[in-house]
Amino acid sequence: SQQGEEDPQALSIQEGENATMNCSYKTSINNLQWYRQNSGRGLVHLILIRSNEREKHSGRLRVTLDTSKKSSSLLITASRAADTASYFCATAHGGTSYGKLTFGQGTILTVHP
Amino acid sequence: ETGVTQTPRHLVMGMTNKKSLKCEQHLGHNAMYWYKQSAKKPLELMFVYNFKEQTENNSVPSRFSPECPNSSHLFLHLHTLQPEDSALYLCASSQDKGGYTFGSGTRLTVV
Repeated sequence: SQQGEEDPQALSIQEGENATMNCSYKTSINNLQWYRQNSGRGLVHLILIRSNEREKHSGRLRVTLDTSKKSSSLLITASRAADTASYFCATAHGGTSYGKLTFGQGTILTVHP
Repeated sequence: ETGVTQTPRHLVMGMTNKKSLKCEQHLGHNAMYWYKQSAKKPLELMFVYNFKEQTENNSVPSRFSPECPNSSHLFLHLHTLQPEDSALYLCASSQDKGGYTFGSGTRLTVV
């Protein structure tokens, strides 16, 4: 089954606005991670939230996790044109000592100057 | 540079060729991964190596053959590929279940 499905698939906003992306998953997780990808390059790790955490901040990023609803959201505040990229959530599950992340299809964020 | 280096950045190969992709990390991570990223599809996990032992093979066709000689190096050997294998191949490493560090990827085109 598909894990880490993002919503919306595409988001277009003006610079200075906030951007919110959502992620849903199907089975229990060990942690959930958000990544960013620019133009078909490698992904960059943004933030990791563990299953026993509800909210985490990093600079202009805020991530929430609701394990009862099996969902997470990524909020980027005061967006900039440089935030234009694809954003992916990925879930890590128990049962192994290593990561084995399952990625969603991503949200394409466009921030207009 | 992220700490994970992939070479080559671009590769064009014929269906009868044999080539290899290389990945190198000096982050001290204990797990390394190959992912395939095709247009309009989620990243697909191909192989996982934990402490240089293969622990996952996600039903990948045998024309893709991984090799992990040590915990810092990972290869993906390619032979008799098909045009549908054209994609961005991403290598990543992690320490246990921590965040991945990705390389910049190899853009592969099979002609």
